[in-house]
Amino acid sequence: QQQVKQSPQSLIVQKGGISIINCAYENTAFDYFPWYQQFPGKGPALLIAIRPDVSEKKEGRFTISFNKSAKQFSLHIMDSQPGDSATYFCGGSQGNLIFGKGTKLSVKP
Amino acid sequence: DTEVTQTPKHLVMGMTNKKSLKCEQHMGHRAMYWYKQKAKKPPELMFVYSYEKLSINESVPSRFSPECPNSSLLNLHLHALQPEDSALYLCASSQDQKVQGGGGYTFGSGTRLTVV
Repeated sequence: QQQVKQSPQSLIVQKGGISIINCAYENTAFDYFPWYQQFPGKGPALLIAIRPDVSEKKEGRFTISFNKSAKQFSLHIMDSQPGDSATYFCGGSQGNLIFGKGTKLSVKP
Repeated sequence: DTEVTQTPKHLVMGMTNKKSLKCEQHMGHRAMYWYKQKAKKPPELMFVYSYEKLSINESVPSRFSPECPNSSLLNLHLHALQPEDSALYLCASSQDQKVQGGGGYTFGSGTRLTVV
């Protein structure tokens, strides 16, 4: 059973554009929703996270929007840069972190 | 120190070999995790240690044997692996498994394991 569904699988954005990645979850017991960024050959690194009692969280160019009733959340990357090119994983946690399948983001110069 | 250190970075082993992966953190985290990641796939949880006790084993085959000697160290002992076990093995730690979201997970860079 896939508890966190992530889309799209891949995304190409022009430099300066907005990247949007979406996730939907099934487990209503999840109490923590992180986004991780992973570069090739590296482990995932926590980018930003949100708790279900908050509808939006912004850190620099990265924003999470959270819709509890729809059981969906999304990552927005503003002013996308080539250095943002990586694989992004959303997740859900109720003690153990479960990942979505990932989105490979390519930002073209 | 805000890192999780994994050794070795790369490992090639035969199907009859015994080897160990090591993970170390000095952040005072009391939960430690082993994840397995195949190419172009998300990390999959294998084991969870909470306060040095095994709290979760996600039905992992017995050829993988975890060990937590103390609060800073986590080992994964490997024996009689199969070629399909080739993957990136990631260690992670978090403040406390019972804290909301674990207090955030910190991942190591992983060990790239190849079974021949």
